[in-house]
Amino acid sequence: DQQVKQNSPSLSVQEGRISILNCDYTNSMFDYFLWYKKYPAEGPTFLISISSIKDKNEDGRFTVFLNKSAKHLSLHIVPSQPGDSAVYFCAASAYNYKYIFGTGTRLKVLA
Amino acid sequence: GAGVSQSPSNKVTEKGKDVELRCDPISGHTALYWYRQSLGQGLEFLIYFQGNSAPDKSGLPSDRFSAERTGGSVSTLTIQRTQQEDSAVYLCASSPGIQYYEQYFGPGTRLTVT
Repeated sequence: DQQVKQNSPSLSVQEGRISILNCDYTNSMFDYFLWYKKYPAEGPTFLISISSIKDKNEDGRFTVFLNKSAKHLSLHIVPSQPGDSAVYFCAASAYNYKYIFGTGTRLKVLA
Repeated sequence: GAGVSQSPSNKVTEKGKDVELRCDPISGHTALYWYRQSLGQGLEFLIYFQGNSAPDKSGLPSDRFSAERTGGSVSTLTIQRTQQEDSAVYLCASSPGIQYYEQYFGPGTRLTVT
């Protein structure tokens, strides 16, 4: 039972355009969400997070949106750069340290 | 400063053998987590440590898996009598404490059981 789903395994975007990565979840108890970025042969690195009491969090080129009624969150990258090419994981937790991760979306930004 | 390190980076073993995977967390981080990522899957939580104790072992797939942490630092994940389905990338992460949401990951150990 996949509680956190990233239904798009891959995404290609032209440099300078917006990248939108999506994540759906099923557990309404999730209260904190994070996005991680992963390059090949490296561990995931933290990118941005959002608490369930907010619907938007912005950090430079990265913005995460949370729609609790739809149990959906998205990561927007504007403008996309070739260095953003990586696998992006969303993760969620329910009031504790245990994170449930999605299967990841591979983003390719084309120069 | 030094990040989380894991060794070995790659391990190939025969079915039925035991393996040990090592994790060196960031100095001063009291919380340590083990995950694994099988092919095409997300990261699967295995176990976490707060200091040397492991309050939650619920993610360990079977009793062939065990982990320990000594001195509040290095942790070892042991898999006994490895099976082919154990093949995966095993990731370790640490954080200053479990109340911190951000976890810092190591590069992982790729385990292949033949």
